[in-house]
Amino acid sequence: QVQLQESGPGLVKPSQTLSLTCTVSGGSINSGDYYWTWIRQAAGKGLEWVGHIYSSGSTNLNPSLKSRVTISVDTSKKWFSLKLTSVTAADTAVYFCARRRWFDFDSWGQGTLVTVSS
Amino acid sequence: NFVLTQPHSVSESPGKTVTISCTRSSGSIVSTYVQWYQQRPGSSPTTVIYEYNQRASGVPDRFSGSFDSSSNSASLTISGLKTDDEADYYCQSFDRSNVVFGGGTKLTVL
Repeated sequence: QVQLQESGPGLVKPSQTLSLTCTVSGGSINSGDYYWTWIRQAAGKGLEWVGHIYSSGSTNLNPSLKSRVTISVDTSKKWFSLKLTSVTAADTAVYFCARRRWFDFDSWGQGTLVTVSS
Repeated sequence: NFVLTQPHSVSESPGKTVTISCTRSSGSIVSTYVQWYQQRPGSSPTTVIYEYNQRASGVPDRFSGSFDSSSNSASLTISGLKTDDEADYYCQSFDRSNVVFGGGTKLTVL
């Protein structure tokens, strides 16, 4: 049973870069055709897809965030990461990492709260 | 680009049946699969329905999914409501390679 765990700073200053890592255990990050995904959820709000990296290394990003987002994967270390630049208070949210094979997200991390504040 | 619109909230009594809709703003609802997720407070979402009407592993048959081309919408129906079903429910589909979530529906079982 694959498990995902987010990690990273819980507090980021405005205009700085948010960096999160999702560590994958119980399964290989580079086997199978999976979309390794970041999803966020502001307090009291719905789910927002941030983007994903496919097992081939190609990425798709939310058009509304595309200019600020980078998603990368390190298969040897079994993690993938999210970088979001020039953050503002609007980027304050719980960030989830998740795995999708075909159509649904079958594994999720527990989520990590990132607050943007000076 | 399209939007998936869900009712903000629904409520029903235990033992009753409730249906949550998910309407696609443009393009056909049948062009890309719809999934449904349940999210309880403080928890990560879990899949309830995938590919319009397939129950995820461990999901009771009280949960069912469907779609209606005439209204361009997908629906999640929960019968025999239990207080434990109280949660937020999200529909999800695809816009080419991008993932689209509905705004979520808060189900209250009272």
